[in-house]
Amino acid sequence: EAAVTQSPRNKVTVTGGNVTLSCRQTNSHNYMYWYRQDTGHGLRLIHYSYGAGNLQIGDVPDGYKATRTTQEDFFLLLELASPSQTSLYFCASSDGTASAETLYFGSGTRLTVL
Amino acid sequence: GEQVEQLPSILRVQEGSSASINCSYEDSASNYFPWYKQEPGENPKLIIDIRSNMERKQIQELIVLLDKKAKRFSLHITDTQPGDSAMYFCAASRVNYGNEKITFGAGTKLTIKP
Repeated sequence: EAAVTQSPRNKVTVTGGNVTLSCRQTNSHNYMYWYRQDTGHGLRLIHYSYGAGNLQIGDVPDGYKATRTTQEDFFLLLELASPSQTSLYFCASSDGTASAETLYFGSGTRLTVL
Repeated sequence: GEQVEQLPSILRVQEGSSASINCSYEDSASNYFPWYKQEPGENPKLIIDIRSNMERKQIQELIVLLDKKAKRFSLHITDTQPGDSAMYFCAASRVNYGNEKITFGAGTKLTIKP
């Protein structure tokens, strides 16, 4: 099974703080995604990428930046964290080709903004 | 962009009976519809999917139906067991359009009563 590793597992910061969430996948997948999960809203797409240096805007991008530095690594940046960004963040990857669209999720990062 | 509505948000059924979750989508170009199961404290995992060239797919006790004209699809779990208790998410995407984006519904919390 595809391996997607997120770090940190938990993060607490204050309003206005600077946070970077990291994600690494080791299966040479083309696509990587950042989702946030909130009760009542399900999984909402923040940003995604189909290769190193590429970035696509998702459905809830405000307040977030992302960068895909390599095929393996995708980072989510919160430069001025706000309490509304308290959430469970999932990174996922997929091959993105026909018959290989399965998303493989990491274990999640729980972020609390005080 | 694509919007996916999922109902109900909470579902409780008796062990051994069937459970049904319904989703609708807006983008008629969506052609791939996966279902993910998330157990407490875990990440979401793919359980079944269906493509737009199919109307029905079954894997053991899981049945997915797709009505392209109505832009609706549904998951049916027959002979439910305690292990079926979890969050379930439907999703829709356009595969092979490049720039693949996967949009999820808000989720259904399924509880199987003994």
